[in-house]
Amino acid sequence: QVQLQESGPGLVKPSETLSLTCTVSGGSVSSSYWSWLRQPPGKGLEWIASIFDSGSANYNPSLKSRVTVSMDTSKDQFSLKVTSVTAADTAVYYCARHGSDWSFDFWGQGTLVTVSS
Amino acid sequence: QSALTQPPSASGSPGQSVTISCTGTSSDVGGYKYVSWYQQHPGKAPKLIIFAVTKRPSGVPDRFSGSKSGNTASLTVSGLQAEDEADYYCTSHVGNDNFYVFGTGTKVTVL
Repeated sequence: QVQLQESGPGLVKPSETLSLTCTVSGGSVSSSYWSWLRQPPGKGLEWIASIFDSGSANYNPSLKSRVTVSMDTSKDQFSLKVTSVTAADTAVYYCARHGSDWSFDFWGQGTLVTVSS
Repeated sequence: QSALTQPPSASGSPGQSVTISCTGTSSDVGGYKYVSWYQQHPGKAPKLIIFAVTKRPSGVPDRFSGSKSGNTASLTVSGLQAEDEADYYCTSHVGNDNFYVFGTGTKVTVL
């Protein structure tokens, strides 16, 4: 059974860069597609980006200019960077695996990132 | 791309059925078969309950069913149980541009 675990700072200052890592166990990061999603407190879900087994990526157009995703196959990890963060980037960030027919079948537990000085 | 429209809330008594709609456009829900539904309990990660409009992952009770007509997808929960009380989100993968749009979410209350 695939398991995902997000890690990274829980507090980021405005204008700085948010960096998170998702560690995959029970599977290989190079054998599936993966995504980052987020959920502001009390609000709905938002897809941020996907990274594919080839290493190529797709981004939410509304975030594309500030977001980068990457993969480290040697560690079975993939990562997210969001630059120039503001309070609007405060959210629970989830990593997830792509299942059949473009669904998200396995999710990490989520990590709260607060943007505040 | 705008969020898909879901009713903010829905409710039913134990044993009853509740249906949640998810309305998009011909560019997302209406144009592709890649609609999925997620159940989210407070403080927990979302859980996949329906994919490809009508398919259920292994382990998801057959009380959960999905359908689509035109630009609107629907999730029906039959035989409501207390543990079905949660938030539900739809999402559509937009194939041509390869991105996802989520629904606004529906809170289901079991009375």
